Amino acid sequence: GAGVSQSPRYKVAKRGQDVALRCDPISGHVSLFWYQQALGQGPEFLTYFQNEAQLDKSGLPSDRFFAERPEGSVSTLKIQRTQQEDSAVYLCASTQSWDGGYTFGSGTRLTVV
Amino acid sequence: GIQVEQSPPDLILQEGANSTLRCNFSDSVNNLQWFHQNPWGQLINLFYIPSGTKQNGRLSATTVATERYSLLYISSSQTTDSGVYFCAAGTTSGTYKYIFGTGTRLKVLA
Repeated sequence: GAGVSQSPRYKVAKRGQDVALRCDPISGHVSLFWYQQALGQGPEFLTYFQNEAQLDKSGLPSDRFFAERPEGSVSTLKIQRTQQEDSAVYLCASTQSWDGGYTFGSGTRLTVV
Repeated sequence: GIQVEQSPPDLILQEGANSTLRCNFSDSVNNLQWFHQNPWGQLINLFYIPSGTKQNGRLSATTVATERYSLLYISSSQTTDSGVYFCAAGTTSGTYKYIFGTGTRLKVLA
């Protein structure tokens, strides 16, 4: 596609619910990143994929967070048993290679109540 | 790990003014990017600039990797330049993450 597409745009979850956030990167982009942005802060790295391989998941805050990209295109970030501190904007970015400029999606704003 | 600091944290300009935003990083980096986050939250890549100087219209950027800083210049500012400017630094040593600074919040007044 022309840009990075994320869905849903907004998500409200009750504490304890599981959520799945989707990222559709630019066609042909090998590298895909997930970031978390809290209000008033810069984005913080969660995980990195090169094609279908998850090469870096050092930023995932707990084992409740899980990401996959099974066919090397669309990626899903799953959060199990959501907690209030998970409330943030979740951003996806893609690029043709790691050492290239990112294109970010519009993000998913997750609110846990 | 890499630390990224940006200055100034806040900036208010009159339309037409010029400004310089600074990004200091604590360690050797292989990659550096500048982004603009508009008031609707969209992050737009301005420059991928691990070293040297680039220009794009009214914006230009310079990175001096050996001295661990990067500068973003905005000339003849417009109200549409308002938002938050982030720099993000990355390294190839064992991780693929970019570390973002806390941003410079720019408001351009008409």
